[in-house]
Amino acid sequence: DTGVSQDPRHKITKRGQNVTFRCDPISEHNRLYWYRQTLGQGPEFLTYFQNEAQLEKSRLLSDRFSAERPKGSFSTLEIQRTEQGDSAMYLCASSWGGRYSSYEQYFGPGTRLTVT
Amino acid sequence: GENVGLHLPTLSVQEGDNSIINCAYSNSASDYFIWYKQESGKGPQFIIDIRSNMDKRQGQRVTVLLNKTVKHLSLQIAATQPGDSAVYFCAEKPVGYSTLTFGKGTMLLVSP
Repeated sequence: DTGVSQDPRHKITKRGQNVTFRCDPISEHNRLYWYRQTLGQGPEFLTYFQNEAQLEKSRLLSDRFSAERPKGSFSTLEIQRTEQGDSAMYLCASSWGGRYSSYEQYFGPGTRLTVT
Repeated sequence: GENVGLHLPTLSVQEGDNSIINCAYSNSASDYFIWYKQESGKGPQFIIDIRSNMDKRQGQRVTVLLNKTVKHLSLQIAATQPGDSAVYFCAEKPVGYSTLTFGKGTMLLVSP
């Protein structure tokens, strides 16, 4: 399978704990995006990388959230001191950004986070 | 994801009908638009896209129409099939940015 993969698919954690999610983009894609989706809503942009550089961050991304893409391939999203309001589906997407980029983003299956 | 269709506008059609899903976008400076399909428990799946210098684009069984005057986007699905049942999202990209802003979504229910 050469699509975007995410791990874990489901995570249940207690309030106050830290969690980390991983995303492996499509191998030739240089752009990687993180989104959050709650029930009944469309995905909300969190942050975006081009290669290893984090180029945009949403105001939604509080200082408890941090994302990295150290080698320009896979990315991790960490949430520190989780709160019940962090319960959501966390989606990763990737795309090719270049001179003839189409902006079409390919999404992974998501990580469902439940904070109890 | 699961139950992504809660509280969403719903379009119910019979198999074989044509479906039209509408979307009002917010930013007149957006230069790229895209439609995604999301089935329960899965991530969004690309359907079709269109740039702002076009007003119509066709794919296999799908057509996207763009009316920039009224900031309206529509997705037409021909000969709708039960496998088309899902939540459909439109998204826009503001000029100068690489990120997408998603709309609220519409649930499409196709009865056999």
